[in-house]
Amino acid sequence: GAVVSQHPSRVICKSGTSVKIECRSLDFQATTMFWYRQFPKKSLMLMATSNEGSKATYEQGVEKDKFLINHASLTLSTLTVTSAHPEDSSFYICSAQVGVPKPQETQYFGPGTRLLVL
Amino acid sequence: DAKTTQPNSMESNEEEPVHLPCNHSTISGTDYIHWYRQLPSQGPEYVIHGLTSNVNNRMASLAIAEDRKSSTLILHRATLRDAAVYYCILVWGGSEKLVFGKGMKLTVNP
Repeated sequence: GAVVSQHPSRVICKSGTSVKIECRSLDFQATTMFWYRQFPKKSLMLMATSNEGSKATYEQGVEKDKFLINHASLTLSTLTVTSAHPEDSSFYICSAQVGVPKPQETQYFGPGTRLLVL
Repeated sequence: DAKTTQPNSMESNEEEPVHLPCNHSTISGTDYIHWYRQLPSQGPEYVIHGLTSNVNNRMASLAIAEDRKSSTLILHRATLRDAAVYYCILVWGGSEKLVFGKGMKLTVNP
């Protein structure tokens, strides 16, 4: 099956620094990738839809200047948490669909990146 | 987004079948029914999806009510590895977004 990887799997940073998380589709091309955030014992919350070669679409309430998304190629999307604060500590997960996204298609999820901001 | 309702949790025994229910009374004609599951500290994993007809794959079966207002995910022989949070999600025909609800925690007893 299709594989999505994330790097790093875990990161600890100091408050005020920026952190970049990579999401890669290893064996398929994805025009669209999705970024989610999950707090402990909570469900996944969709943050933004990342489109290759164009600007990301952010969900309501998600600060686009704080969570910078770049989808530079058909296999790589990056999420940068700028000026991270302790409240940004969370589990960040990306997903992708094979080819052009469709509602009947499977989304393949990465293993997640656990961010801890001290 | 059309909502789904699932029990908060269920328990099953290893090697027995498990039926996980999902109600979606406000489903529209173009909504696909997707099931994903998430093991602790991992990203979600696709299980199965369908539109109107029942579906089978190597992981599970999906039984969809005739009026489409409910569906049931069937694990034919539960294993310890099936212990996870299961999400029943409606995906609107005009979108590819997954909107996760609270899900249902499945515990499998040895």
